[in-house]
Amino acid sequence: EPEVTQTPSHQVTQMGQEVILRCVPISNHLYFYWYRQILGQKVEFLVSFYNNEISEKSEIFDDQFSVERPDGSNFTLKIRSTKLEDSAMYFCASSENGPSYNEQFFGPGTRLTVL
Amino acid sequence: TQLLEQSPQFLSIQEGENLTVYCNSSSVFSSLQWYRQEPGEGPVLLVTVVTGGEVKKLKRLTFQFGDARKDSSLHITAAQPGDTGLYLCAGSMIKAAGNKLTFGGGTRVLVKP
Repeated sequence: EPEVTQTPSHQVTQMGQEVILRCVPISNHLYFYWYRQILGQKVEFLVSFYNNEISEKSEIFDDQFSVERPDGSNFTLKIRSTKLEDSAMYFCASSENGPSYNEQFFGPGTRLTVL
Repeated sequence: TQLLEQSPQFLSIQEGENLTVYCNSSSVFSSLQWYRQEPGEGPVLLVTVVTGGEVKKLKRLTFQFGDARKDSSLHITAAQPGDTGLYLCAGSMIKAAGNKLTFGGGTRVLVKP
């Protein structure tokens, strides 16, 4: 069964460093998303991406964040200068452009720890 | 701000009992999805409901979308220890592809053998 994959599973970084989180969405999906979940809190939307541009972003997704689809399979989230409060699980998701377009399928997540 | 409130936050029952988890909002959602999340993993999609009043069954799980599309429920019949986990509801406000999901806070279910 097709699934969303994410790497790395765990990333530890020093405050102020740049990190890139990587995702491979389901191959025939056209819509891509990043969400995050701070420990013990709700899953929060960060950004959606379609046709090589951002469709929507939340207030969390400030200038320190960027997304890219560098090739036909990867979808990345970059945090330019990490802060302590960026520590969270980051989930990538994808959805298709068909009758089930509302259904978003999530990857296993990357746990980001900022020290 | 669109909010989805789940209740209860935590539910502990004995194997064989039934349980119901609720997801409520003051906003109307075009669709609502239920996910299950294990510790340290991503949410796994269980079902999507899109029509007011819709009922969907997945083995022992029954999902209902309220007539006004503001609320939903998940009912588990004869719960088993394998049903233990965090159940999340997530709604989409706009009937269009690429729309963000708003998540509830989750209901943690513990089924004791």
